[in-house]
Amino acid sequence: ELKVEQNPLFLSMQEGKNYTIYCNYSTTSDRLYWYRQDPGKSLESLFVLLSNGAVKQEGRLMASLDTKARLSTLHITAAVHDLSATYFCAEGGSNYKLTFGKGTLLTVNP
Amino acid sequence: DTGVSQDPRHKITKRGQNVTFRCDPISEHNRLYWYRQTLGQGPEFLTYFQNEAQLEKSRLLSDRFSAERPKGSFSTLEIQRTEQGDSAMYLCASSLVGVSEQFFGPGTRLTVL
Repeated sequence: ELKVEQNPLFLSMQEGKNYTIYCNYSTTSDRLYWYRQDPGKSLESLFVLLSNGAVKQEGRLMASLDTKARLSTLHITAAVHDLSATYFCAEGGSNYKLTFGKGTLLTVNP
Repeated sequence: DTGVSQDPRHKITKRGQNVTFRCDPISEHNRLYWYRQTLGQGPEFLTYFQNEAQLEKSRLLSDRFSAERPKGSFSTLEIQRTEQGDSAMYLCASSLVGVSEQFFGPGTRLTVL
């Protein structure tokens, strides 16, 4: 059974600080996804990581993938309030169906 | 708007009633997925279509659930004899064959009283 574990599940940060969200997954998949979800809204695709060592950056967010360690990270640089949301990682399985983690609720405080 | 659309956005029903949701994927996307998300959890895979063929169903999809994609375009998800445990957000996503990224619709929030 596929398992995706995120930590932390809750993260309260101050604006301007840096932090990393970790995503461990259970299989040898080389496809890892990061999504953002605002309260009551659907999921917005942030990053698709398709190979070992992949690194992608968009604004203050950077995601990386280590398939040997079965680990992906989402690094937040100099957090701002607009980044407050729930962040999900998901592993791509057969037929590209996604197995999601429980999500990390990020709150950025002024 | 050319994104994934879902209808209705909200549905309140009484236990035992049947409900049907619709998903219109992004035009030309031949893969369509249904997921269910309960409060405080990540989405869970329910079923998947490639064109009109339903290729995989999760064990979460009990006999009361049925999904169709009759012409390989829009899809419907029907829940018969709803139970309170069916209350959740039902999300639809679509993608192109050979492309990993899935695009999600706004979801249908179901509340079973």
